[in-house]
Amino acid sequence: GENVEQHPSTLSVQEGDSAVIKCTYSDSASNYFPWYKQELGKRPQLIIDIRSNVGEKKDQRIAVTLNKTAKHFSLHITETQPEDSAVYFCAATVMEYGNKLVFGAGTILRVKS
Amino acid sequence: DAGVTQSPTHLIKTRGQHVTLRCSPISGHKSVSWYQQVLGQGPQFIFQYYEKEERGRGNFPDRFSARQFPNYSSELNVNALLLGDSALYLCASSLTSGTPYGYTFGSGTRLTVV
Repeated sequence: GENVEQHPSTLSVQEGDSAVIKCTYSDSASNYFPWYKQELGKRPQLIIDIRSNVGEKKDQRIAVTLNKTAKHFSLHITETQPEDSAVYFCAATVMEYGNKLVFGAGTILRVKS
Repeated sequence: DAGVTQSPTHLIKTRGQHVTLRCSPISGHKSVSWYQQVLGQGPQFIFQYYEKEERGRGNFPDRFSARQFPNYSSELNVNALLLGDSALYLCASSLTSGTPYGYTFGSGTRLTVV
């Protein structure tokens, strides 16, 4: 089955700097890769996603890149702000097989002001 | 428009007991999935139901079971609770089975087994 590895486990950046979180997946059939932000005590919320037919997707300060050959994808946050501090999870799935998301272990992002 | 609602929000149970968690999907969503999130880890898939049928099962023991009702709400049942079952149980709903569009999580039920 699918296995998703996520790095780093914790990341501290200065406000205004960029943050990059990387994930690798094992199942070459996976074709949908969402990223979730989870604040303490709250539900995971989708912040951006990408399908396997696209190499990059941007939404304001957030971008995701996908390298299908290497089976890895990354989240890029530019101009970080204190409110970006949270746990970020990557996930992967084969859409046609149902909605079983396989999550990475998470990255704790701390933005220092 | 209400989001995914889960009840109860918190629950404390004793080892060996049984627990039922409930989830109401977003109006119009027919698929419900359940995840277990142990502290410090990512959510792990338990079940998916679509149109009252099981569409997927994760690597969990038979003590875990679920069902979906005609109104698309769902219950997750866990028998013979173990300390290791302590976790945040998340429900997610989506429009259909094979697409992640609108895949939305509820706020979860925090289960503590003592």
